[in-house]
Amino acid sequence: QVQLQESGPGLVKPSGTLSLTCSVSGDSLSSGHWWTWVRQPPGKGLECIGEINHSEITTYSPSLESRLTISLDKSKNQLFLKLTSVTAADTAVYFCARNFCTTSNCPEGFDSWSRGTLVTVSS
Amino acid sequence: EIVLTQSPATLSLSPGERATLSCTASQTIHTYLAWYQQRPGQAPRLLIYDASNRATGIPDRFSGSGSGADFTLTINNLEADDFAIYYCQQMLTWPYNFGPGTKVETK
Repeated sequence: QVQLQESGPGLVKPSGTLSLTCSVSGDSLSSGHWWTWVRQPPGKGLECIGEINHSEITTYSPSLESRLTISLDKSKNQLFLKLTSVTAADTAVYFCARNFCTTSNCPEGFDSWSRGTLVTVSS
Repeated sequence: EIVLTQSPATLSLSPGERATLSCTASQTIHTYLAWYQQRPGQAPRLLIYDASNRATGIPDRFSGSGSGADFTLTINNLEADDFAIYYCQQMLTWPYNFGPGTKVETK
């Protein structure tokens, strides 16, 4: 069973940098799946913000691309998110998720999720 | 970007009834559509991928159908745990946008 768990500060100051780590167990970041960050502002819907695969190919949300970096450490089986120059609009619950691939199609959907961590941007 | 709309926004039903949720894409996405359930305070859970394939562990009360731009999630015999928000998501092109959600609430 794949398990994902984020860690990182729950409070970031405006103009600062939001940094989160997602630790993965039960699967390897070297496997053929994609690994994604999703966020959800309080009381609102879901937004895919970026993802990375085993070859360290990344794709980012166009609206966040200039501020966002996603990376991974295969030796530690960890996924990282860094979002710079944050504002109150970046306040959200942040999830990491596995975007799984099958022999028929890649990717298919987010089949394993972390529990989510609320990050608040406030002074 | 591909935009998804979901209807209705809210569905009021009783346990044991059938829920029919709709999702429409702004362009054809073939069958590259997933459905998720999100209960309050929890992460989303994948229900359906590729429009009609149930994810691991999902009961057969949940079924998905559709292709092109119009899709349906059907939940038969609603149980207490099914009252939640349901999101569709297109998996054709990045960014893999979600719809705004349909809330299934107790009547």
